Formats: sequence, structure tokens, C-alpha cells
Amino acid sequence: DSGVTQTPKHLITATGQRVTLRCSPRSGDLSVYWYQQSLDQGLQFLIQYYNGEERAKGNILERFSAQQFPDLHSELNLSSLELGDSALYFCASSDRGTGDSPLHFGNGTRLTVT
Amino acid sequence: AQKITQTQPGMFVQEKEAVTLDCTYDTSDPSYGLFWYKQPSSGEMIFLIYQGSYDQQNATEGRYSLNFQKARKSANLVISASQLGDSAMYFCAMREGPRAGGSYIPTFGRGTSLIVHP
Repeated sequence: DSGVTQTPKHLITATGQRVTLRCSPRSGDLSVYWYQQSLDQGLQFLIQYYNGEERAKGNILERFSAQQFPDLHSELNLSSLELGDSALYFCASSDRGTGDSPLHFGNGTRLTVT
Repeated sequence: AQKITQTQPGMFVQEKEAVTLDCTYDTSDPSYGLFWYKQPSSGEMIFLIYQGSYDQQNATEGRYSLNFQKARKSANLVISASQLGDSAMYFCAMREGPRAGGSYIPTFGRGTSLIVHP
């Protein structure tokens, strides 16, 4: 058990809808990362937060947004969903966010857009 | 250009034997780190091992070791005494120097599927 909690585990929704994915990092970890894993793109970095502030942005669509709250949990909001957004979305956390800190991943949220 | 290349889409190994999973990387940054993760069929990503570019010795963690060849830009994962539970996807990842803002963001390869036969 990595200590990172993601909810829900599965999400099925229709095109055009909006969903929110939730992540609680490991106790003491200040840095939260969101990744998207799909068959064609592999594991793609979306966005990182550190202690409530956005630190780095990757291949995140404008339809997607995220935030990290004062209690350090994070939410990833996906709107105007398209079929191509179907993927496994991972949250990961690390303690200091330094280069040698491994990311500890949650179990992921599997999103299916129909 | 691919930063991380894992050329073996699938590997098979007999239980109790050793197996090497290949990873080559591309960076001009003198300071970088390499990670290996395991993803079983259940989906979670499990951190296995880390090697820093300045580390003099190859990293080891139990049955996992990283064969780090800096000049060749390779960071192969060696699993000794394979077990049935080692069957999974294995991902190599690299983080380069900090981005603006001080973040280190790992980039992942496409993975290698390992199947351990009894």
C-alpha cells in the first residue's frame, strides 16, 4: 500500500459531462502529481502541485484543471469529456519533490467515457 | 525524440531465473535520476528502485538491481530469482534537472511486459 488514496476507483460517464477525481497524498507528502495512462500515449504527466501551489504543467488539456487544497488533498476536474479522455488517471505524491524522491502512486481512477 | 526507450515489449522468464529488462535514455543534463516501477494487472504503480546519475555504485533493493552504464546511457533492471508474482508491466522513468519552479518531473517509457512461467 503506497499510502496514496484515489477515489473513485472507476468512473463511467457520457461525452460532454464533467467529473472530479480525488486524491489524498501520503501523510507528510507535500507534492502531488497527476498522470494519465492510455494505451496509445503511455503514461503522460499532466500537472504538479506543491503545498497548494501549481509547480509544473505537462500535457494537460484546457478542459482539465486541478487544485491542491490546504489539507493537501488534490482534485482533478475533467470537463466536456470526449471518448479519447478514457484512460487510467493516476495521482502520485512525494515528500520534498526533490530529484531523488520517488513518486508514490495511488491505485488510479479508471475513467470510461461512452 | 523519446527520452526513455524500452525496446522489449514482452519478456518471458522461467521461475527462479534472472531476467534483465532494458532501458536506454536520452539526456544532455549532467544531473538526472532513473526510476523503475512495476505495474501488476491490478493497475497500481509500485516504485522499485532509484539510481542517481552521480551515484558511483549500482542501486540494489532486494532482488532488484539496476545495471547502470552511464556512457551507454542505459539503466537496465535485473530481477534475480524470478517469482510468479513478478509478472507485471515494468516502467523505466527518468527525471532531469529541475524545471523552472524547481520541479522534477519523471518521464516514463512505454513499458515492458514480463511473464514469469512456473
